[in-house]
Order: sequence, then C-alpha cells, then structure tokens
Amino acid sequence: TQLLEQSPQFLSIQEGENLTVYCNSSSVFSSLQWYRQEPGEGPVLLVTVVTGGEVKKLKRLTFQFGDARKDSSLHITAAQPGDTGLYLCAGDSGGSNYKLTFGKGTLLTVNP
Amino acid sequence: DAGITQSPRHKVTETGTPVTLRCHQTENHRYMYWYRQDPGHGLRLIHYSYGVKDTDKGEVSDGYSVSRSKTEDFLLTLESATSSQTSVYFCAISDHRSTDTQYFGPGTRLTVL
Repeated sequence: TQLLEQSPQFLSIQEGENLTVYCNSSSVFSSLQWYRQEPGEGPVLLVTVVTGGEVKKLKRLTFQFGDARKDSSLHITAAQPGDTGLYLCAGDSGGSNYKLTFGKGTLLTVNP
Repeated sequence: DAGITQSPRHKVTETGTPVTLRCHQTENHRYMYWYRQDPGHGLRLIHYSYGVKDTDKGEVSDGYSVSRSKTEDFLLTLESATSSQTSVYFCAISDHRSTDTQYFGPGTRLTVL
C-alpha cells in the first residue's frame, strides 16, 4: 500500500500570514492532486500535477510536484479566513484502474 | 457541480442490522468509488467500480460489499453493521484516469449504536 504523509496535521494562523503544507511519500506517483474540503461537504479538486518539478499557481496558492514525483507542497500567500478548511493530497499510482491514495489531511484555520 | 447524490444523508442504526447506502450520478462517468472518512485516518477507499458489474476492493473492504447494476447507481452494503463502521461515507465519480478529477458527493453520516 502506498502511503502519503501530510504535514502539519493542524495549522492555525492569522490572516495575512504565509504557510506551506507538505505531502510526502516513498513511492512514485504518476500524478498528484490537491483537494480542499469544507465542513459537511465532500472534497473539491484544487489542482492536478503530473510532471516532476511542475509548479502550478491558483491565485494565492502555489503547488509544486517534486522532481522524483514522490512529494508535493502547497504554499498559500497572505492567507485569508476563506482559506480555512481541510487540505488533502491524493496520488495516482498508475495501476490498471484509476484509484487515488489520500493523505490524512491538513486542517487549516485562518483567524481574522 | 457534478450530479452526484447520496442517500440517505444521515442514518442511525443498531449493531447487527444490514444497511445499504446509495450513490446516484447523472454524469455517465465510468468510475465510481466509496470512501469512508474518520478523524485521524483521512479518506480511505472501501470499494470501487470501473464499469457496470465490474468492482474491486479498496484498502478497507472487510465488512462491506458493493453492487453496480447500472452506470448511474453504486450501492454500498454493510451486511451486519458494527460500531467500528460509524463514519462519514463519501461516494465519488470519475470519467477517465490519472489527471481526471474525482467528484465527490455530499456524504452520508452513519452512526451504528
């Protein structure tokens, strides 16, 4: 079973601060996705990274896929209360059927 | 938003009773998934389907069975519910693979007393 370790597990910051969330594995993934989940709802996709070293930006969010495709990071600049939520990374190992392995998530709270 | 519904949204049942959760999609997507989400464990795959009547086990399949007789419906059955199956259950759908999005339903909160 391929594992994805996310850190930190919990993060509480003030509005305007920057933060980085990490997603690490000893396994190689063909692609990696980041989802955000709000209380009482299902996760929603933020981004998919496919190529080693790839960097994608989504407004104040920057996602990076490691060169070896074993790890990824999510950086948020000038966090806002609306960024509060559970951030999940998920990897596709590239087997014959499409299924994702999820990390345990990082619960982010941005205080006004 | 992808057309995914789950029913029921909330259920309380007793140990030993059978329970069936339903996931319905209107997107005609090929893949359907059942996950459970528990504090400290994240999302864990129970079973998934890659076509009508084609299903396979995920990492936490013990005590669960699934069926998919139509493209749009994926049923998750707990044959004899146990307290350890108290959880929030999410259905997800996807059309292709690798870079494709998994769209999640709103979840079913199941409590087994």
